[in-house]
Amino acid sequence: DAGVIQSPRHEVTEMGQEVTLRCKPISGHNSLFWYRQTMMRGLELLIYFNNNVPIDDSGMPEDRFSAKMPNASFSTLKIQPSEPRDSAVYFCASGTRGVYEQYFGPGTRLTVT
Amino acid sequence: AQTVTQSQPEMSVQEAETVTLSCTYDTSESDYYLFWYKQPPSRQMILVIRQEAYKQQNATENRFSVNFQKAAKSFSLKISDSQLGDAAMYFCAWRDDKIIFGKGTRLHILP
Repeated sequence: DAGVIQSPRHEVTEMGQEVTLRCKPISGHNSLFWYRQTMMRGLELLIYFNNNVPIDDSGMPEDRFSAKMPNASFSTLKIQPSEPRDSAVYFCASGTRGVYEQYFGPGTRLTVT
Repeated sequence: AQTVTQSQPEMSVQEAETVTLSCTYDTSESDYYLFWYKQPPSRQMILVIRQEAYKQQNATENRFSVNFQKAAKSFSLKISDSQLGDAAMYFCAWRDDKIIFGKGTRLHILP
């Protein structure tokens, strides 16, 4: 099993640009989670999906953030326009409700200058 | 609201010794799961151990074990025979439908 795949691993962009982060969950998992990790705020849940449907997006910080899951094997997190305070490591994780633990991808380190 | 508290931002232990990381949580639920995750410098989040709230027996995974006190809402992690590779940030987490993470404890292993 390849595990959760995220791309890109590193992203450096200028303020105001659109950023798209991608995630491929583990095959067979029906839950997908997007997290943001910073030194100040720790690990924050942004949004999660069950069976491709967004269940809770209360952690999405602003309307500049949006997430989609068009099918069971792909999800995106988009920031438009990006700001320097969005700089963080963004993790995607997947799991199954029956098992409950989540498996994390390697993360995307985003730097907005 | 559910919360997870790790009161020790940093800890150090001598190699080969035993260390215990503390975690408390607050929930009104009776059925839930608790986890410890490890995040080494590579930043990969790795599941260390899982505990189901309905089980009285404490979970064990090799050198890692937990002390689960449901009434006290306490879930500590014990690492025996500490190794240099155990140096990492450790996160305690609680899950009902979504996972709530603590702020983490950074563990240093002294050679």
